[in-house]
Amino acid sequence: GAVVSQHPSWVICKSGTSVKIECRSLDFQATTMFWYRQFPKQSLMLMATSNEGSKATYEQGVEKDKFLINHASLTLSTLTVTSAHPEDSSFYICSANTLARTGRNIQYFGAGTRLSVL
Amino acid sequence: DQQVKQNSPSLSVQEGRISILNCDYTNSMFDYFLWYKKYPAEGPTFLISISSIKDKNEDGRFTVFLNKSAKHLSLHIVPSQPGDSAVYFCAAGEYGGSQGNLIFGKGTKLSVKP
Repeated sequence: GAVVSQHPSWVICKSGTSVKIECRSLDFQATTMFWYRQFPKQSLMLMATSNEGSKATYEQGVEKDKFLINHASLTLSTLTVTSAHPEDSSFYICSANTLARTGRNIQYFGAGTRLSVL
Repeated sequence: DQQVKQNSPSLSVQEGRISILNCDYTNSMFDYFLWYKKYPAEGPTFLISISSIKDKNEDGRFTVFLNKSAKHLSLHIVPSQPGDSAVYFCAAGEYGGSQGNLIFGKGTKLSVKP
C-alpha cells in the first residue's frame, strides 16, 4: 500500500509554544490530505482537509487560527498547533488519499503524533 | 448525528474462532466502505474495502459483507489470531466524491484470547 510518513511521532512542549507536525506521502502525490485528532478511547475526529495549493477546509468547531494547515506541495502537508495549551494534548494523525492516483478512495495513514502540552 | 455507527465498543473472541465486527450507516449516499485496524499509538492501517455494487469481498482471513437494504456491513475474521487484537474502525464514503472524505465509526476493540 501507499506510504505516509508523519513526523515527529511524539512531542512534549510548554504551554504557549507552537508545534509543527509534518505529513508526507512518500511514494505518491497527494492533492488531498486529512488531519485527524483522536482522544483516548474515542474515534478519529476529522479536523480539516488539506488541499494542495489552496486553503484547507476545516470542520465545524475546529479553530482555523489555532490549527494552521499548509499544503505547499503534492507530497507535504503541515499542521501547526499555535500557542498550544494542555487541552490541545492529543494524538494527531494525518492521512493521504489515493483517489487521484488509483481511482480508489482509500486513505493511508501516518503513524500519528502524540502531543503533550505541559 | 453519527452517520457511521459501531455499536459494540468491544469484542472478545477465542483464538481460532470467528470474529464478527458490525457497522451500520445512515447516509444512503455512501457507496464505498472500508475497514481499518489500529494499534495503540499508531495510525490506522487499511484492511479491506467494498463498493456498493458488491455484497461481499474477501481477502485472506478477512471478509467484508455489505447489506445495502439494511445499511449494514460486517467484517469477519476467521480464524482469529492473537495478533488481530486491535481497534477496528469502519469507514464510509462516496466513491465519486472529489476529495475522498471518509466518515469513521467509533471503533470496536477486538481482543483475541489464546
